Amino acid sequence: AAGVIQSPRHLIKEKRETATLKCYPIPRHDTVYWYQQGPGQDPQFLISFYEKMQSDKGSIPDRFSAQQFSDYHSELNMSSLELGDSALYFCASSSQGDTEAFFGQGTRLTVV
Amino acid sequence: GENVEQHPSTLSVQEGDSAVIKCTYSDSASNYFPWYKQELGKGPQLIIDIRSNVGEKKDQRIAVTLNKTAKHFSLHITETQPEDSAVYFCAASKTSGTYKYIFGTGTRLKVLA
Repeated sequence: AAGVIQSPRHLIKEKRETATLKCYPIPRHDTVYWYQQGPGQDPQFLISFYEKMQSDKGSIPDRFSAQQFSDYHSELNMSSLELGDSALYFCASSSQGDTEAFFGQGTRLTVV
Repeated sequence: GENVEQHPSTLSVQEGDSAVIKCTYSDSASNYFPWYKQELGKGPQLIIDIRSNVGEKKDQRIAVTLNKTAKHFSLHITETQPEDSAVYFCAASKTSGTYKYIFGTGTRLKVLA
């Protein structure tokens, strides 16, 4: 069965650079969530989209932005990267009206 | 704000023994409680979930119980095996609007052979 696809799997950036993370949800899923997981931490909710509109916002820094496109894939744009942004970034998708969310394998971002 | 507390943070059990992980949620409107298993370098995988209209759900060696009054829910793993070793996260969500999950802080389970 198709799963949530995230790219890239690994990314190394320098401080003050920008990064773009991509998420391709499970087919026919219309809701996408982004989570940030620091080393040894639980996943922290950043932002979610439903039908290409932002539906909820968590602890997402102003330096980050995200959007969902017409094909339901989503991109997380991160600017002015800081060392503290180093983390695993997970995307999850679900279908509105169905509560189960499925996670991708994550993108490991390392800021040096 | 909404939060989910999870205990213990680490748990070591002998192979074949049972493991219990407990969570407490703060938002009384929460009505969906999934459990995720996360192996090293991988994304969280849904292993079992429970909705607020039931008190218990079982799937082979895994069971989840829910006490809505106390706002507690627990994961029970019986006859543990080494491959059960992972980090387990509980989460709480509301089935209104979009389903933002509030995660617990995780439990690192080690099953000793």
